[in-house]
Amino acid sequence: QSALTQPRSVSGSPGQSVTLSCTGSSSDVGNYNYVSWYQHHPGKAPKLMIYDVTKRPSGVPDRFSGSKSGNTASLTISGLQAEDEADYYCCSYAGSYTVFGSGTKVTVL
Amino acid sequence: EVQLVESGGGLVQPGGSLRLSCAASGFTFSNYWMNWVRQAPGKGLEWVANINKDGSVKYYVDSVKGRFTISRDHAKNSLYLQINSLRGEDTAVYYCAREGLYCSGSSCYSQYYFDYWGQGTLVTVSS
Repeated sequence: QSALTQPRSVSGSPGQSVTLSCTGSSSDVGNYNYVSWYQHHPGKAPKLMIYDVTKRPSGVPDRFSGSKSGNTASLTISGLQAEDEADYYCCSYAGSYTVFGSGTKVTVL
Repeated sequence: EVQLVESGGGLVQPGGSLRLSCAASGFTFSNYWMNWVRQAPGKGLEWVANINKDGSVKYYVDSVKGRFTISRDHAKNSLYLQINSLRGEDTAVYYCAREGLYCSGSSCYSQYYFDYWGQGTLVTVSS
């Protein structure tokens, strides 16, 4: 039940694109197409941004997209905006449990 | 409007116990798997436990097995987490979260993501 590995921080200027990686194993990310991503502003409830690797809930801008290759999932934010500055967590189903990533802080320069 | 409101957090001594509650509204509570997720100070999110629709199936992260118990009460539309033998590393904000649901015809299936979260309740373990 080890946490998925995410880069500690990523930064970009407004309008740029950034990609966040999420590396797991063949027991979680690599074995299931049930990767989700959450945006978390400190002091607020986390918000679902992507589910089932690539799907976007209604209301989430199409600037957010997800993908997966092998044991690594990715979240891309295109056209970065100031309000995108937050912590982002990946999450994967792993059979009888669920595991989150270590989190990536996105900074908009 | 879906709402999840946690309560019951507070300051407790090591070895102590607390019961966290999550009041659900705005949806048919009995149709959904429910979860507890926590975040220790300065740390990331950690899944803690989940429970199926009728309360007969429960899963826990290894670090809380034998100490935490998840339960639900459909009459009160509430989710609970009984936490015993508290340790310093249990200090965290505890969130309740609803799992997604996919329905096709008369069949519905829990989905492996969390579509609604509460604001959290802080548990501090300290002497």
